[in-house]
Amino acid sequence: DSGVTQTPKHLITATGQRVTLRCSPRSGDLSVYWYQQSLDQGLQFLIQYYNGEERAKGNILERFSAQQFPDLHSELNLSSLELGDSALYFCASSAGTGMRTDTQYFGPGTRLTVL
Amino acid sequence: DAKTTQPTSMDCAEGRAANLPCNHSTISGNEYVYWYRQIHSQGPQYIIHGLKNNETNEMASLIITEDRKSSTLILPHATLRDTAVYYCIVRASGGSNYKLTFGKGTLLTVNP
Repeated sequence: DSGVTQTPKHLITATGQRVTLRCSPRSGDLSVYWYQQSLDQGLQFLIQYYNGEERAKGNILERFSAQQFPDLHSELNLSSLELGDSALYFCASSAGTGMRTDTQYFGPGTRLTVL
Repeated sequence: DAKTTQPTSMDCAEGRAANLPCNHSTISGNEYVYWYRQIHSQGPQYIIHGLKNNETNEMASLIITEDRKSSTLILPHATLRDTAVYYCIVRASGGSNYKLTFGKGTLLTVNP
């Protein structure tokens, strides 16, 4: 158990819909990262937040957005869903020091299926 | 981040040491080698990381060559539960390079 929690575990929805994925980081961690894992693209970095502020952006679509709240939990919002958005979505957290001990620990993931 | 090259798959007998190689010939002086593994659709699990010295923890050992162009992850006594995809990742520490860039990894299959 990494200490990172994600809800829900599974999500099934229809094209065009909007969903929200939630992540609670490990106690004390200030940074949260979101990754997407699909069969054809592998594990890809989407976005990072540090203490409520966006820190880095990866291959995140404009239909996707994220935020980190004052209690440090984070939400990833996916809108106008397409079949190709079906994937595993992982959240990771780290202390956010940027130093060699700033290891990312991953949650169990949310499996999104768009029908 | 420097690119890494790993074998697509490897087999290991249960109870034997599993040695997983990784080439990172373009690694820079401030880049660390990280290893993660992913057991069938679970979240990636951190294993170990190092800069230039060999490292050991309760899960594994990491051997980095003197020129830092390659490394080997060693699982000393592999069990069936070690069957997973193992990712070798090279990333800078500090600055804005916080993300992890995952390649395809090595599928390690531990056989009874």
